[in-house]
Amino acid sequence: DAKTTQPNSMESNEEEPVHLPCNHSTISGTDYIHWYRQLPSQGPEYVIHGLTSNVNNRMASLAIAEDRKSSTLILHRATLRDAAVYYCILRDRGRSGGSNYKLTFGKGTLLTVNP
Amino acid sequence: KAGVTQTPRYLIKTRGQQVTLSCSPISGHRSVSWYQQTPGQGLQFLFEYFSETQRNKGNFPGRFSGRQFSNSRSEMNVSTLELGDSALYLCASSLGLAGVGEQYFGPGTRLTVT
Repeated sequence: DAKTTQPNSMESNEEEPVHLPCNHSTISGTDYIHWYRQLPSQGPEYVIHGLTSNVNNRMASLAIAEDRKSSTLILHRATLRDAAVYYCILRDRGRSGGSNYKLTFGKGTLLTVNP
Repeated sequence: KAGVTQTPRYLIKTRGQQVTLSCSPISGHRSVSWYQQTPGQGLQFLFEYFSETQRNKGNFPGRFSGRQFSNSRSEMNVSTLELGDSALYLCASSLGLAGVGEQYFGPGTRLTVT
């Protein structure tokens, strides 16, 4: 399975931008990069995903390196509600291959937002 | 629309017993995936069901099994419970196969094995 590497923790101040890095040097050409976050005592929540081009949505932006070996999740203005564990995940094929993809979660980055 | 629901939310069982957890996906979603979350191992994929068929499986022993019904609701069963099975069990639903698009997670079932 393709793996991702993220810092264990990061800290930010409220209303400042946050850049969460993720390395995925073994990514294959068909792997999508997904980001989820998990707030305390809740299930994970979808944030954004992309393949090659940078992506934007109402929650965040995803910047993908040209060689696709790394990506960065950008929260434009952090709020206290953004404090969570952020997971960078590759959508990779299961053992049966074909169209059977699964999401393999790593340890994630614990983001602390200071008021 | 209603989100993913899981029942029960909390469960306490004894070693050796078996347990069944239930997951109701978002209406219209055909895929249900199950995950185990523990402090030591993080989030680990158990299996995925799509249109009543198991499409993918993680690296868990055969004591962990599941099924999906025609209305897309899914159940997960763990037999011969061990202390190490204490965890938060999460299910997630999606329109298509997992990983193709967004997955929506439920709040989880907290299982404690004593």
